[in-house]
Amino acid sequence: SSELTQDPAVSVALGQTVRITCQGDSLRSYYASWYQQKPGQAPVLVIYAKNNRPSGIPDRFSVSTSGNTASLTITGAQAEDEADYYCNSRDSSGNQLVFGGGTKLTVL
Amino acid sequence: QVTLRESGPALVKPTQTLTLTCTFSGFSLNTNDMCVSWIRQPPGKALEWLARVDWDDDKYYSTSLKTRLTISKDTSKNQVVLTMTNMDPVDTATYYCARTRRGYSYGYVFDFWGQGTLVTVSS
Repeated sequence: SSELTQDPAVSVALGQTVRITCQGDSLRSYYASWYQQKPGQAPVLVIYAKNNRPSGIPDRFSVSTSGNTASLTITGAQAEDEADYYCNSRDSSGNQLVFGGGTKLTVL
Repeated sequence: QVTLRESGPALVKPTQTLTLTCTFSGFSLNTNDMCVSWIRQPPGKALEWLARVDWDDDKYYSTSLKTRLTISKDTSKNQVVLTMTNMDPVDTATYYCARTRRGYSYGYVFDFWGQGTLVTVSS
């Protein structure tokens, strides 16, 4: 079982804002990173820690953390954002890395 | 340009040992804060982190699989090898290697991934 919990599925209307959450006790101590995975493709790092985005990732992706919950927000969701999203962070011991169960985002 | 490529058998029998090789370019595992991780994904399921080897040769394993995994690096060949013993059909998955960067301000991130290799465990 994962130490990071995500909602299995979320939907958003095209152009609207959506938040995908990741809960876990370790998030009180460690930053999360977020990965986008489209069908048949390897995951891609989209954002991490305090809104660090790799080159080529649009600024409509942002992150925030409150208590034991990290959130990925997409402001103005686009059709190409439809994908599975995974959070990752350290576990409670700090020695290992763990993924959340993933959230399937549907853009309507 | 950073690239990673996984290689290994597509099919293994139950109880056999799986050996996967990650061959990478565009970075060095001799560089401080540089690491390589193995991650797997069973068909239709979530990602699962398996193991990590760091620039200083420290190694870390998933608690649930620790007794079955061994990770090693060969910096002269730019390769990281993962072995998993006593394979079972539930280990059927796509196995990815990923460059993992460590930063004091952000922890660990998987910033480049290989395309993955599907390993099926069946007799």
